Amino acid sequence: ETGVTQTPRHLVMGMTNKKSLKCEQHLGHNAMYWYKQSAKKPLELMFVYSLEERVENNSVPSRFSPECPNSSHLFLHLHTLQPEDSALYLCASSQALGGRGEQYFGPGTRLTVT
Amino acid sequence: GQSLEQPSEVTAVEGAIVQINCTYQTSGFYGLSWYQQHDGGAPTFLSYNALDGLEETGRFSSFLSRSDSYGYLLLQELQMKDSASYFCAVTDRDDKIIFGKGTRLHILP
Repeated sequence: ETGVTQTPRHLVMGMTNKKSLKCEQHLGHNAMYWYKQSAKKPLELMFVYSLEERVENNSVPSRFSPECPNSSHLFLHLHTLQPEDSALYLCASSQALGGRGEQYFGPGTRLTVT
Repeated sequence: GQSLEQPSEVTAVEGAIVQINCTYQTSGFYGLSWYQQHDGGAPTFLSYNALDGLEETGRFSSFLSRSDSYGYLLLQELQMKDSASYFCAVTDRDDKIIFGKGTRLHILP
């Protein structure tokens, strides 16, 4: 257990559905991240929040919408996804931005878009 | 652009020593991290080097040469449970962490 939880662990959705991924960290960290991990590709940083403010948006399609209501919770709202969006979505947190390279990852949500 | 290069796969024998190299080109550099990820699991932090030299933590050591934009992870006394993917990651000047593609470590009995 890393102190970062994610729900659901698995999600299958159609291209017209709307769903949300949830992440919660119990570490008192100030920065939270969403990553996408696809087969044969490096971890792709999607969004970064520091003290509940978005500080990074790596040209992510608008069908992914993040929300950070407080420093412990992070959501990723999904709508009208494409099959190529099927991947493992990982949430992570760190003490501060950068955090001496030390991030704590949740177990991930395995997303399948049909 | 920003890039990290590491071998895609490495194979070693149980009980042996293995070194996984990482070279990087990034816009600014604060430090180099290493993460381990088992199949079906989440990446877990192993080490961080901000200064040149070797950092040792048990069976794992990590090395950095800033002048060469190079680092490596050294795993000693390999155990079967060390079979996993290992990622190097750079913290750049914007405090963003950029990950390499990962090295799959296979351990033979």
